[in-house]
Amino acid sequence: AQKITQTQPGMFVQEKEAVTLDCTYDTSDQSYGLFWYKQPSSGEMIFLIYQGSYDEQNATEGRYSLNFQKARKSANLVISASQLGDSAMYFCATSIYNQGGKLIFGQGTELSVKP
Amino acid sequence: DSGVTQTPKHLITATGQRVTLRCSPRSGDLSVYWYQQSLDQGLQFLIQYYNGEERAKGNILERFSAQQFPDLHSELNLSSLELGDSALYFCASSVEQGRYNEQFFGPGTRLTVL
Repeated sequence: AQKITQTQPGMFVQEKEAVTLDCTYDTSDQSYGLFWYKQPSSGEMIFLIYQGSYDEQNATEGRYSLNFQKARKSANLVISASQLGDSAMYFCATSIYNQGGKLIFGQGTELSVKP
Repeated sequence: DSGVTQTPKHLITATGQRVTLRCSPRSGDLSVYWYQQSLDQGLQFLIQYYNGEERAKGNILERFSAQQFPDLHSELNLSSLELGDSALYFCASSVEQGRYNEQFFGPGTRLTVL
């Protein structure tokens, strides 16, 4: 069964600096996707970025980039130029393509951006 | 706004009761997923429906059931409620199942069992 591990329960970053949130995954499947979601204190889940297991280039979406290292089974999220509004819980998730698309989430990392 | 709607937003009920959570997916999305978020279990997949048919089951208790109707809205029924069922229940939808699917999440229903 697949598993997502996020080892940083909480992190602090200074405004305007970059921050990396760690995510490692465990799956024996060859075809899978990796996702990052943001959950602000209001509770909604906001999709940030996606990486497919066969994608050779790292995904980027604005200030978000995913550092995909397949051999290490890691999919770290990099947020550049942090903003106060980035303070939230961040969840890494994986989806196995032949299992209908359900998401398996990690425990999350709470990011706090300091002014 | 993701386009996924969930009602009610908050629900407070007592142990032993039964409740129904409702979800309307984004227009055109055929796949609906239910997730439970609790402090001790984190975010867990419960069940998936695709165009009216159950397609995948996760850690869903036997006291819980779900269905997807012809108009594609979905309902999650929770019965014989226990204190431990208190959680935030999310519905998510996507265009299809499998492969890359950006799942759009609704705002959630916060269930409190007293």
